[in-house]
Amino acid sequence: GAVVSQHPSRVICKSGTSVKIECRSLDFQATTMFWYRQFPKQSLMLMATSNEGSKATYEQGVEKDKFLINHASLTLSTLTVTSAHPEDSSFYICSASGTGGATTEAFFGQGTRLTVV
Amino acid sequence: GENVEQHPSTLSVQEGDSAVIKCTYSDSASNYFPWYKQELGKRPQLIIDIRSNVGEKKDQRIAVTLNKTAKHFSLHITETQPEDSAVYFCAASKRAAGNKLTFGGGTRVLVKP
Repeated sequence: GAVVSQHPSRVICKSGTSVKIECRSLDFQATTMFWYRQFPKQSLMLMATSNEGSKATYEQGVEKDKFLINHASLTLSTLTVTSAHPEDSSFYICSASGTGGATTEAFFGQGTRLTVV
Repeated sequence: GENVEQHPSTLSVQEGDSAVIKCTYSDSASNYFPWYKQELGKRPQLIIDIRSNVGEKKDQRIAVTLNKTAKHFSLHITETQPEDSAVYFCAASKRAAGNKLTFGGGTRVLVKP
């Protein structure tokens, strides 16, 4: 299957700093990528839909100025957590679908464990 | 928007027995229903999926059924093994929404040897 690579896998940062997470589709082009957040023992909650060459679409309740998303190419989307606080500590995971016409399988990155201290 | 409910939240079975997880969805336009297995700290892994033009799909010990009229779908794992222990998520999406997945709340499955 297709490969989605996410980096870093773990990051610890101080409160008030910003953290950038990268999501790359390695062997296919992804016009759309999705960013999810997962708290311990909970489900994956969609944060935003990242569209190549256009602004991201954020889910209700997600602050777009805090979670900056950039999708500058068909193989790379980035999520920047700005002015991070301890409550932003979570598992962030991206997924990407191919550019095919039918509903296609989503491929997940390995996730990023963010700890804000 | 879409809402996916998943039950049970935890499931404990004896090795060799079957496990069944059920999900319901709210958007009748949803047409793709994947199931994921997630181990602690790792990415979700697709284990089986079904599209709305199919009522049942099987892959070795895993099967999924879909009832479009009732808007529910189920995962069946037969002859469970300890390595089946994980958290399982159902999800739903539709092409019109750009393949955006809405996940169920997850089921923690424990297979006791």
